[in-house]
Amino acid sequence: ILNVEQSPQSLHVQEGDSTNFTCSFPSSNFYALHWYRWETAKSPEALFVMTLNGDEKKKGRISATLNTKEGYSYLYIKGSQPEDSATYLCAFLNSGAGSYQLTFGKGTKLSVIP
Amino acid sequence: DAEITQSPRHKITETGRQVTLACHQTWNHNNMFWYRQDLGHGLRLIHYSYGVQDTNKGEVSDGYSVSRSNTEDLPLTLESAASSQTSVYFCASSGRSRTDTQYFGPGTRLTVL
Repeated sequence: ILNVEQSPQSLHVQEGDSTNFTCSFPSSNFYALHWYRWETAKSPEALFVMTLNGDEKKKGRISATLNTKEGYSYLYIKGSQPEDSATYLCAFLNSGAGSYQLTFGKGTKLSVIP
Repeated sequence: DAEITQSPRHKITETGRQVTLACHQTWNHNNMFWYRQDLGHGLRLIHYSYGVQDTNKGEVSDGYSVSRSNTEDLPLTLESAASSQTSVYFCASSGRSRTDTQYFGPGTRLTVL
């Protein structure tokens, strides 16, 4: 079983603050890292898929970086808004032949206080 | 628009009963997955399929089975429901590329009494 860790487990920030959280994954047999946003009572929605060491992805105020050599990815949210409140999941895809299975972390639950 | 649907959205059953949860996608995706979500565990993979007639066990497959007779559907069957199978179940699908994202259904909340 692959170990994908996310930290912190939860955090509360004030509206307008910027924040970031971490996803740690195995540094060997890397193929891709996914980030998902999961709002309460909804289903996870994809944010980014990252494949190359040093990759940076951006969507609006949300961005992510990837370090495959040391096995971590950061997700940044600039100027948090209440609608950013959600659980953010990362998921690791290993390079095993033909594998499409994602191993998910337990998520970081973000609450943005107006 | 293409979509992925699950039914029922909520189900209450008794221990020992057989239960089938439906998953239907119109993306024409080859890959389909079933996960369960439990507090403290995140999403865990139950079964998955890479195409018609293909099924594979995931991390927590005991007590569950799937079949894939067409591209659109991957029903999940609990052969004899147990209270430990009370959970929220999500179906997902993805395309041919290994970097395609997985698209998730709305989830089924199952309670086993």
